[in-house]
This record gives sequence, C-alpha cells and structure tokens, in this order.
Amino acid sequence: NAGVMQNPRHLVRRRGQEARLRCSPMKGHSHVYWYRQLPEEGLKFMVYLQKENIIDESGMPKERFSAEFPKEGPSILRIQQVVRGDSAAYFCASSQGGAVQPQHFGDGTRLSIL
Amino acid sequence: GQQVMQIPQYQHVQEGEDFTTYCNSSTTLSNIQWYKQRPGGHPVFLIQLVKSGEVKKQKRLTFQFGEAKKNSSLHITATQTTDVGTYFCAGLSGGGADGLTFGKGTHLIIQP
Repeated sequence: NAGVMQNPRHLVRRRGQEARLRCSPMKGHSHVYWYRQLPEEGLKFMVYLQKENIIDESGMPKERFSAEFPKEGPSILRIQQVVRGDSAAYFCASSQGGAVQPQHFGDGTRLSIL
Repeated sequence: GQQVMQIPQYQHVQEGEDFTTYCNSSTTLSNIQWYKQRPGGHPVFLIQLVKSGEVKKQKRLTFQFGEAKKNSSLHITATQTTDVGTYFCAGLSGGGADGLTFGKGTHLIIQP
C-alpha cells in the first residue's frame, strides 16, 4: 500500500526559475496539505486542497506561489521566480477526511535555490 | 491567528531517563495531534487527542490533553536511543476546514 509520494526528492533551481513540486496522496485519500519546513523549525501550513478545490490557502504567500489538485493526477505546488528565501523542505500530507483526521506525510522535496 | 508554543526546544537526556515536552495554544483546540520526525525524515503521526482531560498511552509514551483544551503534553518513560527525533504537537481550532498549526517541536537528544 503506497504511502504519500512526493517528487522530486531534491530540486535545485537558480533564482528566477520556476519550481514544480508534485504530490500523490495515499490511495483512498482525497485531502492534501502542503507544509514548508526550514532547518530546525516546525512545519508551517501553506495550503489545504481537495480534488479540484482549494479549501484553505491562508498560509500561502500571496505572490509567486500556487497550488492545485486536479481531478486526475498529483497535486502540484508551483513556485514562480524563485528566490533564495524559498530554499526549504516542502512536505505534502494527505488524509481521508479533513484536518481532524491523522495526516500521512511524504518524504518531502528539498528545494535549494542557487 | 492561532499560535502553538512548544517547550523545551531542545532536551538532552541520558538513556533511561524520562522526557516530557509541553504544548500550549493561544486558542481552544478542537483536537491536538502529535507527530515524530527523525533526523532527515518526515513527520509520522503518533496520536490524536480530542476530549478535555484525555490521557492516552502507547507503551512508554503518555499523551495528555488539558481540561481547557489549550495545552497538551507528551511524556516518555525510560528513553531509548530509538526515541531520538523531534516531537511536534499540532492543533486544530476550527471545524476542520483549516490546516493544522504545528509547534516548533522539541528536539530530543539521547546520550548513551
């Protein structure tokens, strides 16, 4: 039973490029969450999605960041025109129901900006 | 907005000693979840507490939810080297539409 799959595991981008992070939830899970983690820090909530809907994006920066969870395919976190401060680990989690349900995390994508 | 504070940030213990981490929320929580993250790994769900005053045990781990549903604790008895990692609490205050608010975690370091 595959868990939450994130790819790539590591992503290197130059300033100004675009970064695309993918997340396939666990089988049977329709709720996806994206978090950002800086070294020695906790996880900062970014966005909560269900299929084709953004439920809560209160943690997303207003510019350059977007997320989607299409009817078919993985959830995508997209960062346009990356800057050095975007370097972090980005974790995706999924759950069967809403945030009242336990969340299962992927291995994360470590984004490095040169 | 909601804030979840966790203390201590770091805890060094000798193997076999007990360990406790505390979590406090600025708002009343509908539930609280605890996660463990090993170095270089991803958070792994440990437990969820929902009821006021709830206490749950998992082998050497004891989790408590305060009567006012604004604080929680995790206590590990007789730590082992496998307990090394960062323990996060995560609170939910809304009706489920919001994401979890994570504390900054307590890093547990065990000296053999």
